[in-house]
Amino acid sequence: GQQLNQSPQSMFIQEGEDVSMNCTSSSIFNTWLWYKQDPGEGPVLLIALYKAGELTSNGRLTAQFGITRKDSFLNISASIPSDVGIYFCAGIFSGNTGKLIFGQGTTLQVKP
Amino acid sequence: DVKVTQSSRYLVKRTGEKVFLECVQDMDHENMFWYRQDPGLGLRLIYFSYDVKMKEKGDIPEGYSVSREKKERFSLILESASTNQTSMYLCASSSTYGYTFGSGTRLTVV
Repeated sequence: GQQLNQSPQSMFIQEGEDVSMNCTSSSIFNTWLWYKQDPGEGPVLLIALYKAGELTSNGRLTAQFGITRKDSFLNISASIPSDVGIYFCAGIFSGNTGKLIFGQGTTLQVKP
Repeated sequence: DVKVTQSSRYLVKRTGEKVFLECVQDMDHENMFWYRQDPGLGLRLIYFSYDVKMKEKGDIPEGYSVSREKKERFSLILESASTNQTSMYLCASSSTYGYTFGSGTRLTVV
């Protein structure tokens, strides 16, 4: 099936540092989504991107939808311990019935 | 508060057993999905349904079936559980405005 390539696979950072992760695909997506999953819970939507080139912020989080609609990045500024979790990118591509295709996930650990 | 509820958080089943994973949503969403989550592989789509009694295969449907008799309920069935089906299973429902996930069922097949 279609795949999103997400990197890095894991990150271990110091509290206060900025974080950046990205996703790429060989397919064009109509919508890019970024989710966070806390341990023992389902993914929760952080940011949704609908237009090529769109830059959207949600508090300390910023995400951009690539111009080609084949990539996206997520930045977290001034990380805090509660940022710990798994971050997933997901895409919905043209002609789809609305199903999400997920990246492999980035596991973030923050050292206080 | 809108919800997607999965009936069990943890399940342990024996190889060869028939397993039912239940998912209920209270948002009147038409689309419902079943994913499995494995380390390093992200979430992979097993089956989805865009209406009652409708179903479509996702990327990894082998060994699974589904049932959608009512709009709010989407069941995942493992006809004969195998150890390689040990995983976290996540249900989701969606509308135009986005997806909502359940908390997941961690299934162990021994």
